[in-house]
Amino acid sequence: DTGVSQDPRHKITKRGQNVTFRCDPISEHNRLYWYRQTLGQGPEFLTYFQNEAQLEKSRLLSDRFSAERPKGSFSTLEIQRTEQGDSAMYLCASSGLKGGNSYEQYFGPGTRLTVT
Amino acid sequence: GDSVTQMEGPVTLSEEAFLTINCTYTATGYPSLFWYVQYPGEGLQLLLKATKADDKGSNKGFEATYRKETTSFHLEKGSVQVSDSAVYFCALTGDSWGKFQFGAGTQVVVTP
Repeated sequence: DTGVSQDPRHKITKRGQNVTFRCDPISEHNRLYWYRQTLGQGPEFLTYFQNEAQLEKSRLLSDRFSAERPKGSFSTLEIQRTEQGDSAMYLCASSGLKGGNSYEQYFGPGTRLTVT
Repeated sequence: GDSVTQMEGPVTLSEEAFLTINCTYTATGYPSLFWYVQYPGEGLQLLLKATKADDKGSNKGFEATYRKETTSFHLEKGSVQVSDSAVYFCALTGDSWGKFQFGAGTQVVVTP
């Protein structure tokens, strides 16, 4: 299966700890997105990469959040000094065939973060 | 900014009933419109899409038509099955980066 994968699937951490999530997009895709989904809500956009360049960040992404996509392949999302309000499902999606233009986004299974 | 409004759930139906989930949007320009489905315990899956006015997206018996005049993209299915029980999300993308704006989702419960 060559879909979008995310690791870990679940993470429980204590308030104040740092956490890092990984996303492996579909290999032919040059666009990668991070979203956050809380219970009963739709996903909210966090940030976007085209290849290795981070081109847009939402106001939701405070200074405690940082994302990278070295070499334009996998991406990591780090949250420093976690707070209980960070508890959510973090979703990764990819799209855009290299050299092409497609807005269909393919989502990974998500990483569920619980901050205690 | 862009936004998507969906009817609230849960929507509870009997098997073989007709399903409609309303979705309206506000956006500048000419967005592309999507329906995603999230089955219990699974990730978001693209159900159908429409990229310009009057386009009809269809998949698995579901249909939605891009109505620019009413800024709507209502999802319909003529005869639902228990396996259609899921949360359905309407979404749009209206900018060159392709980031999505999602609605809050509508839970559909189909009973035998």
